[in-house]
Amino acid sequence: AQSVSQHNHHVILSEAASLELGCNYSYGGTVNLFWYVQYPGQHLQLLLKYFSGDPLVKGIKGFEAEFIKSKFSFNLRKPSVQWSDTAEYFCAAPTGANNLFFGTGTRLTVIP
Amino acid sequence: EPEVTQTPSHQVTQMGQEVILRCVPISNHLYFYWYRQILGQKVEFLVSFYNNEISEKSEIFDDQFSVERPDGSNFTLKIRSTKLEDSAMYFCASSEAVGAGNQPQHFGDGTRLSIL
Repeated sequence: AQSVSQHNHHVILSEAASLELGCNYSYGGTVNLFWYVQYPGQHLQLLLKYFSGDPLVKGIKGFEAEFIKSKFSFNLRKPSVQWSDTAEYFCAAPTGANNLFFGTGTRLTVIP
Repeated sequence: EPEVTQTPSHQVTQMGQEVILRCVPISNHLYFYWYRQILGQKVEFLVSFYNNEISEKSEIFDDQFSVERPDGSNFTLKIRSTKLEDSAMYFCASSEAVGAGNQPQHFGDGTRLSIL
């Protein structure tokens, strides 16, 4: 089983700034990792996922994440954030066969 | 794009009362889940459901909770006797097949449950 941890609770950036949100995972066999986003008042949406292969994963809306095995990390990045990226971001990993373990989330506020 | 829908969006209930939260998963999905998120805390897994029975459940999912697929489209979460600490946002999710590891789960908008 895997678990994840997120250490940035709230990040505030100006528009056009670069973003990196941290996610660390605990090793538990095959590593599968997800990033979800929750816009205000909306449901969780899958941003990107890593199963195997290329450690640099491209997702929707210009987001990407890099799986670095030596650092047990799967950080989310975006080169230039927009006001519309204001949301809560959750790193997640499967634990057990059918459920997801979510990190505590990072609230991103982008200032116009 | 197909969506998971949840009703109601907000439920206010007196402590000790029973509450049923409803979900309509994506039609060709076979696995169903409930998660909850207490205000200011992380999303926590409650239960997964497949082939008309519980597949996995967490420690949170005690005897006060039950799930049911009463017909071909709905998936419900029942809390028999609500407590103040049950106040949370409850998310339903579904996936096409088995394995959270490689089958993305699609989430509904959630039901905010407020216990008075």
